[in-house]
Amino acid sequence: DGGITQSPKYLFRKEGQNVTLSCEQNLNHDAMYWYRQDPGQGLRLIYYSQIVNDFQKGDIAEGYSVSREKKESFPLTVTSAQKNPTAFYLCASSQYETGYNEQFFGPGTRLTVL
Amino acid sequence: SQQGEEDPQALSIQEGENATMNCSYKTSINNLQWYRQNSGRGLVHLILIRSNEREKHSGRLRVTLDTSKKSSSLLITASRAADTASYFCATDGPSAGGTSYGKLTFGQGTILTVHP
Repeated sequence: DGGITQSPKYLFRKEGQNVTLSCEQNLNHDAMYWYRQDPGQGLRLIYYSQIVNDFQKGDIAEGYSVSREKKESFPLTVTSAQKNPTAFYLCASSQYETGYNEQFFGPGTRLTVL
Repeated sequence: SQQGEEDPQALSIQEGENATMNCSYKTSINNLQWYRQNSGRGLVHLILIRSNEREKHSGRLRVTLDTSKKSSSLLITASRAADTASYFCATDGPSAGGTSYGKLTFGQGTILTVHP
């Protein structure tokens, strides 16, 4: 089965803690993305990676960090510096080419700060 | 920044009716895509239309693109209760003669409810 997996599905964090969200894909895609979705809102780009060992900040990168050591994996760490981390986090991947860049999404992780 | 803006924010129709959602954007684009999201789930790609295309069909979906007005519409014909979901447009761009490396900018979405 090809696709993107995210874990855990639900995550609870105490204030002041760092947490890491997992994202794995077996689609052999070069590019991977992390989005944040708040209730009733669209998706906002946190970080993206076009290739292994390279990544760029998106629109709302403050308080988040990522790594891309393997093509299949793009974990997101929500640090204690993120003041309002409660949200739904979505990971996606694509094999972008000029003119066609459909993104494939994982099922999401819902993070709640207690 | 949120480039795509969708209208209406919510749409409620009866099964069998058509549903039309609109998306406006601000800058030039390489392509525009529509995605569907069921409650609490990930997004699923529906259709992509390139900047040099005006209309595209896929099953019961029809997408139009007017680059002069910087707008797109998604039409779902003969709707079903199973079409109940949020629908998002996403733009790839702005186009600058090069690749955007797959980055998309999503709108706020239209919540569609289809009553049986």
